[in-house]
Amino acid sequence: NAGVTQTPKFQVLKTGQSMTLQCAQDMNHNSMYWYRQDPGMGLRLIYYSASEGTTDKGEVPNGYNVSRLNKREFSLRLESAAPSQTSVYFCASSERAAKNIQYFGAGTRLSVL
Amino acid sequence: SQQGEEDPQALSIQEGENATMNCSYKTSINNLQWYRQNSGRGLVHLILIRSNEREKHSGRLRVTLDTSKKSSSLLITASRAADTASYFCAPHLRGGRGGSRLTFGEGTQLTVNP
Repeated sequence: NAGVTQTPKFQVLKTGQSMTLQCAQDMNHNSMYWYRQDPGMGLRLIYYSASEGTTDKGEVPNGYNVSRLNKREFSLRLESAAPSQTSVYFCASSERAAKNIQYFGAGTRLSVL
Repeated sequence: SQQGEEDPQALSIQEGENATMNCSYKTSINNLQWYRQNSGRGLVHLILIRSNEREKHSGRLRVTLDTSKKSSSLLITASRAADTASYFCAPHLRGGRGGSRLTFGEGTQLTVNP
């Protein structure tokens, strides 16, 4: 039982390059989330998926797209990376329950040069 | 905008002492959660307190909630060096389309010195 798995763990991109961050959970959770964590800014929600087939914008969605591929997988795509997207990205999942306890992956550390 | 705001930003104590961290938030909540993050790792859920509860305990953790003041506190008793980490409060906001959402602040960096 791996929980929430993110790949890759580290990535360096040049400005303008694109990439997809992958996230998969094996807990049969309905809801999945993408956050970014920056010094002095805390965790900010980029996009979330309340259930398979739905996605919604969070606090900082500009420059990102997401795909809820199936119940297990939720990917985050940077179409044209910018230095401002240098950050640590976390994926999380939760049951569709009122208390919404979230389980986090280990993170992807992304640098955009 | 961030809802959970932790105070202090950093706290340094000796092993065996108690550590208290505070959290303030702005709107009505379903519950409030506390998470811990070790350096270079993802967040881990510690404890949840519902909006109709005032205090909750889990091992060495004690959480209080005052909805009239929109504030919460996390107390770690008899701290250990292994408690060194960042601690985040996460108010679970009422309403909103689709799934429920947590909001996180910048966290309190706790250092427990041996």
